[in-house]
Amino acid sequence: KQEVTQIPAALSVPEGENLVLNCSFTDSAIYNLQWFRQDPGKGLTSLLLIQSSQREQTSGRLNASLDKSSGRSTLYIAASQPGDSATYLCAVRRQGAQKLVFGQGTRLTINP
Amino acid sequence: EPEVTQTPSHQVTQMGQEVILRCVPISNHLYFYWYRQILGQKVEFLVSFYNNEISEKSEIFDDQFSVERPDGSNFTLKIRSTKLEDSAMYFCASTLDRADNYGYTFGSGTRLTVV
Repeated sequence: KQEVTQIPAALSVPEGENLVLNCSFTDSAIYNLQWFRQDPGKGLTSLLLIQSSQREQTSGRLNASLDKSSGRSTLYIAASQPGDSATYLCAVRRQGAQKLVFGQGTRLTINP
Repeated sequence: EPEVTQTPSHQVTQMGQEVILRCVPISNHLYFYWYRQILGQKVEFLVSFYNNEISEKSEIFDDQFSVERPDGSNFTLKIRSTKLEDSAMYFCASTLDRADNYGYTFGSGTRLTVV
């Protein structure tokens, strides 16, 4: 059974810092991995999608990497801003399955 | 940018009542999903739907739940007899194709409160 874990559960940093959020999964037979952002009481906004054959994806100040063999992904946020404050979720889709399995998220606070 | 639309945004219902949560997936998407998130917990998969039938479901999706695509645009989740523990945020999502080259698009959710 696929388990997804995100560390840390919460992170608070001053504005302008670069930071890394971690996601690990137990079953390396994944189809893809997707990072989402969730604002309090709101829906899930897709940030980056990495297919199993890819090593990384970039969008603006965000960079996500994938090491399938070790069961790890990282989300790198450069030059953090207060507007980046949210919960960040990673989710994996196993090969042969339709569903996403989510981690519990990292609650990020960027202090002005 | 195309969106997945969910209505209502918040619904309060009495225990034992039936509720229908509604979703309009992105128009050219073929696969549709329901997920839920109990307050403070992980987002959990409920069901996936393709070609007018359920393609995968979780152990949570028991006989009190059903899904339907009543027309060409709507996708609904019905909970037949609500329980207190059904209180959660329910998310609808869609994907373009089975290859999932573009990832999931989620709606903004319906917060269901059972009293």
